[in-house]
Amino acid sequence: GENVEQHPSTLSVQEGDSAVIKCTYSDSASNYFPWYKQELGKRPQLIIDIRSNVGEKKDQRIAVTLNKTAKHFSLHITETQPEDSAVYFCAAPIVGNQFYFGTGTSLTVIP
Amino acid sequence: GAVVSQHPSRVICKSGTSVKIECRSLDFQATTMFWYRQFPKKSLMLMATSNEGSKATYEQGVEKDKFLINHASLTLSTLTVTSAHPEDSSFYICSAGGRADTQYFGPGTRLTVL
Repeated sequence: GENVEQHPSTLSVQEGDSAVIKCTYSDSASNYFPWYKQELGKRPQLIIDIRSNVGEKKDQRIAVTLNKTAKHFSLHITETQPEDSAVYFCAAPIVGNQFYFGTGTSLTVIP
Repeated sequence: GAVVSQHPSRVICKSGTSVKIECRSLDFQATTMFWYRQFPKKSLMLMATSNEGSKATYEQGVEKDKFLINHASLTLSTLTVTSAHPEDSSFYICSAGGRADTQYFGPGTRLTVL
C-alpha cells in the first residue's frame, strides 16, 4: 500500500523568502499528487496538483515538482506572504480518489 | 463549482447520546465520499469510504458499529457517532470525490462530548 512521508513538520520563513515542502511516496504506480492548504479550523483547500506525466507545474507563486524516479514531489512557494501561513498537506492516491495524506507542515511566514 | 457542505459545524452533546453529521455535495454528484477525523495539529485520518448505494468501507481500527455511515444518494452521506464518549471529541471532515482523482472537502464538524 501507499505510504507518504512529509518534511519538515514546521517551517518558518521571512516574508518574501521561498518555502519548500517535500513529500516522498512508496507506490510507484501512484500517478496523481495534490497539495492542500488548511487554515486553522477550516477545511483543506486544494492549491495545486500534478499528474505523473509532467515533472513540474506552476500557478503564480506556487509550484509543484515531481521526481518519479526518486518518488518524491515538492511544493514551492515563492515570495511568501503572511497569508501563506497555514498547514500544508501532500497526498498520494491509494485507490481511485482515496488518498493517503502526509503528516502536514505548519508554515509560518514572519512579516 | 465543487462545493461540499457539512452540517452541523459545531455540536456539543452529552456522553451516551448519538450525533449525526451530514455531508452534501452541492453542485455535483459524488459516487464516493470520505470521512476523516482530525486531531489538533495532526493530519487527516481516513475513517471510512462511503459509496452510494452500498456499504461503507472502514479503515482498520475504526468501529463500524460506532461510526455508522449512510450514503443514500449521490449528494448526501451521513456519519452517526453512536453512544458518544469524550474520547470521540474531534474535528470530523468529509470529502467528496470530484472529477478524476480530486477530492473536495467539507468545512468540518467540531464535536465535543461532555
